[in-house]
Order: sequence, then C-alpha cells, then structure tokens
Amino acid sequence: DQQVKQNSPSLSVQEGRISILNCDYTNSMFDYFLWYKKYPAEGPTFLISISSIKDKNEDGRFTVFLNKSAKHLSLHIVPSQPGDSAVYFCAATLNTGNQFYFGTGTSLTVIP
Amino acid sequence: DAGVTQSPTHLIKTRGQQVTLRCSPKSGHDTVSWYQQALGQGPQFIFQYYEEEERQRGNFPDRFSGHQFPNYSSELNVNALLLGDSALYLCASSPGQGNQPQHFGDGTRLSIL
Repeated sequence: DQQVKQNSPSLSVQEGRISILNCDYTNSMFDYFLWYKKYPAEGPTFLISISSIKDKNEDGRFTVFLNKSAKHLSLHIVPSQPGDSAVYFCAATLNTGNQFYFGTGTSLTVIP
Repeated sequence: DAGVTQSPTHLIKTRGQQVTLRCSPKSGHDTVSWYQQALGQGPQFIFQYYEEEERQRGNFPDRFSGHQFPNYSSELNVNALLLGDSALYLCASSPGQGNQPQHFGDGTRLSIL
C-alpha cells in the first residue's frame, strides 16, 4: 500500500528555468513532509520540510507547497542548475516522526 | 562533524546466510532508523531504535532484527537470506523524538547470490 506517490518517474528542465516536482499522499494523518535529494552511490540528503500547519516553506532556491485538501505536495526549484540533477524523493510522517513513508522518486535532469 | 557512517559499503552473500550491517549516527543524534531500498523504489522503513529499544517496526519479517548500543550506534541483522533481500540498506539518524529530518548514510549494498 503506497501511501506516498510520485507519479512522474522523470523530468527534464532547461538550466535557469523552474523545476516542479509533485507528490501525492493518501493518509490524512500525515503532518510532516520532507523532500530529499539523492545522487548515485550516496544516501538521500535532506532538502526542505514543511509542517501540516503551513502551506508554504521557502529555503533559497527551494520552495515546498502543501495543499492538504488535495493531499498534494510540490517542490519548486528556481532557477534550476545542472547540479540539481538527481533523484528527488518526497516523504511523509505521522506526528511521532518515527516512520518516514517515501515516494518512488522523480529523476530530475537539468540541461545546460 | 561526521555524518552518518555505515559499514560495509558492499557485501555479497549467498541464500540462507546471515548478515550484520553497522551504523554510527550523526553526532548529537540518539535515534537510528533502518530502511531497505530496492532498485527503482523509495526507501522502505524497517525499524527504529531509541534508548536501545525498538520503538517502531515496519512490515518486515522477524528475520530482520536490530540492536542499539549505549553509544547510539546500531546494527541490522538479517537471517536466512533470500534473493529478494538484495537491496541498498540505509541507516538514518535523528535527534530525540518528534518531527525532525532524518539524516542518511550512504548505505550498504547487499547482493544475494
């Protein structure tokens, strides 16, 4: 039972443009959401998170948007850079913060 | 400031064998979680240790067991290995309880022949 879904396996974007990565979830009890970036042969690296009491969180070029009514999460990267090319995972957890539920990932390619 | 370290980086075993993977958490972190990542999938939660006790467990059989030591480091043990256990095993650490990002190591790639 996949409670966190990333329906786009891959995305290609020109350097300097906006990258938008999407994530849907089914469990309305999730209250903390995160995005991770993963390069080959490395572990996932934490990017940005958002609590369910907010609808937007921004950190430099990265912004996460949360739409609780639609159970939808998105990550915006502006401007996109070639170094952003990686696999991006969204994750969600209940208020205990113990178990993270991950999506299957979206492979982002930023074209110079 | 060392991050999460895992050993070994790669391991090859045969069916029916047993394996132990090791993890040292990031400095200041006392909670360790283990995940299995199959090819093309996201990480799947195995279990989490806090204060040397298993605090929560995912949907994995009893062949998967773990331990946390007083210095917060942790081990993942898998018995009676199956071909389907071939995966990347990730360790993540976090400080205390509540909603905090988990910080991951680079994983151990386990191959079962």
